[in-house]
Amino acid sequence: EVQLVESGGDLVQPGGSLRLSCSASGFTFSVYVMYWVRQAPGKGLEYVSDISSNGGGRNYADSVKGRFTISRDNSKNTLYLQMSSLRAEDTAVYYCVKGNSNELGSWGQGTLVTVSS
Amino acid sequence: QTEVTQEPSLTVSPGGTVTLTCASSTGAVTSGFYPNWFQKKPGQAPRALIYSTKNKQSWTPARFSGSLLGGKAALTLSGVQPEDEAEYYCLLYYGGAQPWVFGGGTKLTVL
Repeated sequence: EVQLVESGGDLVQPGGSLRLSCSASGFTFSVYVMYWVRQAPGKGLEYVSDISSNGGGRNYADSVKGRFTISRDNSKNTLYLQMSSLRAEDTAVYYCVKGNSNELGSWGQGTLVTVSS
Repeated sequence: QTEVTQEPSLTVSPGGTVTLTCASSTGAVTSGFYPNWFQKKPGQAPRALIYSTKNKQSWTPARFSGSLLGGKAALTLSGVQPEDEAEYYCLLYYGGAQPWVFGGGTKLTVL
Protein backbone atom coordinates (compact mmCIF):
# COMPACT_ATOMS: atom_id res chain seq x y z
CA GLU A 1 0.00 0.00 0.00
CA VAL A 2 1.29 3.42 -0.97
CA GLN A 3 1.91 5.66 2.02
CA LEU A 4 3.02 9.28 1.93
CA VAL A 5 3.52 11.02 5.25
CA GLU A 6 4.29 14.74 5.28
CA SER A 7 5.91 16.48 8.23
CA GLY A 8 7.56 19.76 9.10
CA GLY A 9 4.58 22.08 8.95
CA ASP A 10 4.60 24.80 11.58
CA LEU A 11 3.82 28.41 12.46
CA VAL A 12 6.56 30.65 11.06
CA GLN A 13 7.00 34.41 10.85
CA PRO A 14 6.96 36.26 7.52
CA GLY A 15 10.39 36.12 5.96
CA GLY A 16 11.21 32.90 7.75
CA SER A 17 12.17 29.47 6.46
CA LEU A 18 10.84 25.95 6.84
CA ARG A 19 11.64 22.52 5.43
CA LEU A 20 8.88 20.03 4.70
CA SER A 21 9.54 16.30 4.38
CA CYS A 22 7.53 13.51 2.85
CA SER A 23 8.36 9.95 3.81
CA ALA A 24 7.30 7.41 1.19
CA SER A 25 6.66 3.69 1.47
CA GLY A 26 4.84 0.88 -0.31
CA PHE A 27 6.31 1.58 -3.75
CA THR A 28 9.65 2.01 -5.52
CA PHE A 29 10.17 5.68 -4.71
CA SER A 30 13.16 6.15 -7.00
CA VAL A 31 11.22 5.57 -10.25
CA TYR A 32 8.42 8.07 -9.73
CA VAL A 33 8.01 11.78 -10.31
CA MET A 34 7.02 13.49 -7.07
CA TYR A 35 4.96 16.64 -6.57
CA TRP A 36 4.08 19.22 -3.96
CA VAL A 37 0.58 20.70 -4.15
CA ARG A 38 -0.95 23.14 -1.67
CA GLN A 39 -4.35 24.42 -0.64
CA ALA A 40 -4.72 27.73 1.13
CA PRO A 41 -7.63 28.14 3.57
CA GLY A 42 -10.86 28.52 1.61
CA LYS A 43 -9.05 28.32 -1.72
CA GLY A 44 -8.49 25.75 -4.44
CA LEU A 45 -5.62 23.41 -5.14
CA GLU A 46 -2.38 24.93 -6.43
CA TYR A 47 0.54 23.15 -8.09
CA VAL A 48 3.76 24.09 -6.28
CA SER A 49 6.62 22.00 -7.65
CA ASP A 50 7.70 18.68 -9.09
CA ILE A 51 10.92 16.70 -9.37
CA SER A 52 11.94 13.92 -11.73
CA SER A 53 12.69 10.42 -10.52
CA ASN A 54 16.46 10.98 -10.36
CA GLY A 55 16.20 14.58 -9.16
CA GLY A 56 17.69 16.01 -12.33
CA GLY A 57 14.59 17.88 -13.44
CA ARG A 58 12.70 20.36 -11.26
CA ASN A 59 9.83 22.73 -11.95
CA TYR A 60 8.14 25.40 -9.87
CA ALA A 61 5.03 27.53 -9.87
CA ASP A 62 5.78 31.17 -10.61
CA SER A 63 4.44 32.06 -7.15
CA VAL A 64 7.26 30.16 -5.40
CA LYS A 65 10.10 30.32 -7.93
CA GLY A 66 13.32 31.55 -6.37
CA ARG A 67 12.01 30.99 -2.83
CA PHE A 68 11.26 27.26 -2.68
CA THR A 69 13.55 24.34 -3.54
CA ILE A 70 12.36 20.78 -4.11
CA SER A 71 14.72 17.86 -3.58
CA ARG A 72 14.68 14.15 -2.90
CA ASP A 73 16.83 11.48 -1.31
CA ASN A 74 16.09 8.20 -3.04
CA SER A 75 18.23 6.29 -0.53
CA LYS A 76 15.88 7.48 2.22
CA ASN A 77 12.63 7.39 0.19
CA THR A 78 12.06 11.00 1.17
CA LEU A 79 10.91 14.11 -0.66
CA TYR A 80 11.69 17.62 0.62
CA LEU A 81 10.50 21.17 0.11
CA GLN A 82 12.79 23.90 1.42
CA MET A 83 10.79 27.10 1.77
CA SER A 84 12.36 30.49 2.40
CA SER A 85 11.27 34.15 2.38
CA LEU A 86 7.85 32.91 3.44
CA ARG A 87 4.83 35.17 2.96
CA ALA A 88 1.36 35.19 4.45
CA GLU A 89 0.02 33.92 1.13
CA ASP A 90 2.12 30.74 1.52
CA THR A 91 -0.17 29.70 4.38
CA ALA A 92 -1.67 26.41 3.25
CA VAL A 93 -1.86 22.67 3.68
CA TYR A 94 0.99 21.18 1.66
CA TYR A 95 0.47 17.79 0.06
CA CYS A 96 3.06 15.36 -1.24
CA VAL A 97 1.90 13.47 -4.34
CA LYS A 98 3.25 10.44 -6.19
CA GLY A 99 2.92 10.57 -9.94
CA ASN A 100 4.28 10.23 -13.42
CA SER A 101 4.91 12.70 -16.21
CA ASN A 102 1.19 12.71 -17.10
CA GLU A 103 -0.46 11.90 -13.79
CA LEU A 104 -0.76 12.87 -10.15
CA GLY A 105 -1.83 9.71 -8.31
CA SER A 106 -1.56 8.99 -4.60
CA TRP A 107 -1.68 11.89 -2.11
CA GLY A 108 -0.46 12.22 1.46
CA GLN A 109 -2.64 13.65 4.22
CA GLY A 110 -0.86 17.00 4.16
CA THR A 111 0.98 19.24 6.59
CA LEU A 112 -0.14 22.74 7.61
CA VAL A 113 2.15 25.71 7.16
CA THR A 114 1.04 28.96 8.77
CA VAL A 115 2.93 32.18 8.04
CA SER A 116 2.00 34.85 10.55
CA SER A 117 3.55 37.25 13.01
CA GLN B 1 -1.18 33.98 -17.17
CA THR B 2 -2.79 30.68 -18.13
CA GLU B 3 -6.22 30.07 -16.64
CA VAL B 4 -8.18 26.83 -16.29
CA THR B 5 -11.90 27.35 -15.84
CA GLN B 6 -14.50 25.07 -14.24
CA GLU B 7 -18.14 25.60 -13.32
CA PRO B 8 -18.16 27.09 -9.80
CA SER B 9 -21.07 24.93 -8.70
CA LEU B 10 -23.47 22.28 -9.95
CA THR B 11 -26.41 20.47 -8.39
CA VAL B 12 -27.58 16.96 -9.25
CA SER B 13 -30.25 14.63 -7.87
CA PRO B 14 -29.31 11.23 -6.45
CA GLY B 15 -29.22 8.69 -9.26
CA GLY B 16 -28.85 11.39 -11.87
CA THR B 17 -26.08 12.21 -14.30
CA VAL B 18 -23.91 15.31 -14.33
CA THR B 19 -20.99 16.50 -16.44
CA LEU B 20 -18.30 18.82 -15.15
CA THR B 21 -16.08 20.62 -17.65
CA CYS B 22 -12.58 22.07 -17.70
CA ALA B 23 -11.57 24.78 -20.19
CA SER B 24 -8.21 26.32 -21.02
CA SER B 25 -7.62 30.01 -21.69
CA THR B 26 -5.17 28.99 -24.43
CA GLY B 27 -7.81 27.28 -26.56
CA ALA B 28 -9.20 23.78 -27.00
CA VAL B 29 -8.18 21.13 -24.50
CA THR B 30 -6.71 18.06 -26.21
CA SER B 31 -5.29 14.77 -24.99
CA GLY B 32 -1.87 16.46 -24.94
CA PHE B 33 -2.99 18.39 -21.86
CA TYR B 34 -3.21 15.03 -20.01
CA PRO B 35 -6.35 16.11 -18.10
CA ASN B 36 -6.47 14.84 -14.52
CA TRP B 37 -9.49 14.97 -12.21
CA PHE B 38 -9.54 14.97 -8.40
CA GLN B 39 -12.19 14.76 -5.69
CA LYS B 40 -11.76 16.80 -2.53
CA LYS B 41 -13.94 16.53 0.57
CA PRO B 42 -13.61 18.80 3.62
CA GLY B 43 -10.96 17.60 6.04
CA GLN B 44 -9.67 14.95 3.66
CA ALA B 45 -6.78 14.77 1.24
CA PRO B 46 -7.64 15.05 -2.45
CA ARG B 47 -8.24 11.77 -4.22
CA ALA B 48 -7.20 11.17 -7.81
CA LEU B 49 -9.99 9.92 -10.07
CA ILE B 50 -8.92 10.23 -13.73
CA TYR B 51 -5.62 10.78 -15.56
CA SER B 52 -4.72 11.34 -19.21
CA THR B 53 -8.30 12.31 -20.15
CA LYS B 54 -10.09 9.01 -19.48
CA ASN B 55 -7.90 6.57 -17.55
CA LYS B 56 -9.23 5.59 -14.15
CA GLN B 57 -7.21 5.01 -11.00
CA SER B 58 -7.57 1.51 -9.58
CA TRP B 59 -9.89 2.85 -6.86
CA THR B 60 -12.10 5.01 -9.08
CA PRO B 61 -15.76 3.91 -9.06
CA ALA B 62 -17.17 2.85 -12.42
CA ARG B 63 -19.73 5.68 -12.36
CA PHE B 64 -16.95 8.22 -12.97
CA SER B 65 -15.71 8.70 -16.53
CA GLY B 66 -13.48 11.20 -18.31
CA SER B 67 -13.60 12.51 -21.87
CA LEU B 68 -13.05 15.46 -24.18
CA LEU B 69 -16.21 17.38 -25.01
CA GLY B 70 -16.55 20.46 -27.18
CA GLY B 71 -12.94 21.56 -26.73
CA LYS B 72 -12.96 20.94 -22.99
CA ALA B 73 -12.02 18.11 -20.67
CA ALA B 74 -15.06 16.57 -19.04
CA LEU B 75 -15.84 14.43 -16.00
CA THR B 76 -19.18 12.63 -16.05
CA LEU B 77 -20.82 11.05 -13.03
CA SER B 78 -23.58 8.58 -13.86
CA GLY B 79 -25.88 7.28 -11.14
CA VAL B 80 -24.72 9.90 -8.65
CA GLN B 81 -24.52 8.82 -5.02
CA PRO B 82 -24.88 11.07 -1.94
CA GLU B 83 -21.22 10.44 -1.11
CA ASP B 84 -20.23 12.08 -4.41
CA GLU B 85 -20.98 15.49 -2.93
CA ALA B 86 -17.57 17.15 -2.96
CA GLU B 87 -15.35 19.67 -4.71
CA TYR B 88 -13.90 18.46 -8.01
CA TYR B 89 -10.71 19.83 -9.53
CA CYS B 90 -9.24 19.39 -12.98
CA LEU B 91 -5.55 19.71 -13.76
CA LEU B 92 -4.01 20.43 -17.16
CA TYR B 93 -0.46 20.06 -18.43
CA TYR B 94 1.15 22.97 -20.30
CA GLY B 95 4.78 21.95 -20.21
CA GLY B 96 7.53 24.49 -19.74
CA ALA B 97 8.79 25.80 -16.45
CA GLN B 98 5.37 25.75 -14.77
CA PRO B 99 3.94 22.61 -16.31
CA TRP B 100 0.68 22.06 -14.43
CA VAL B 101 -2.30 24.33 -13.70
CA PHE B 102 -5.35 23.46 -11.61
CA GLY B 103 -8.84 24.66 -12.34
CA GLY B 104 -10.68 26.63 -9.69
CA GLY B 105 -12.85 23.66 -8.72
CA THR B 106 -16.53 22.75 -9.03
CA LYS B 107 -18.60 22.33 -5.90
CA LEU B 108 -21.00 19.47 -6.59
CA THR B 109 -24.13 19.31 -4.47
CA VAL B 110 -26.24 16.14 -4.43
CA LEU B 111 -29.79 17.14 -3.57
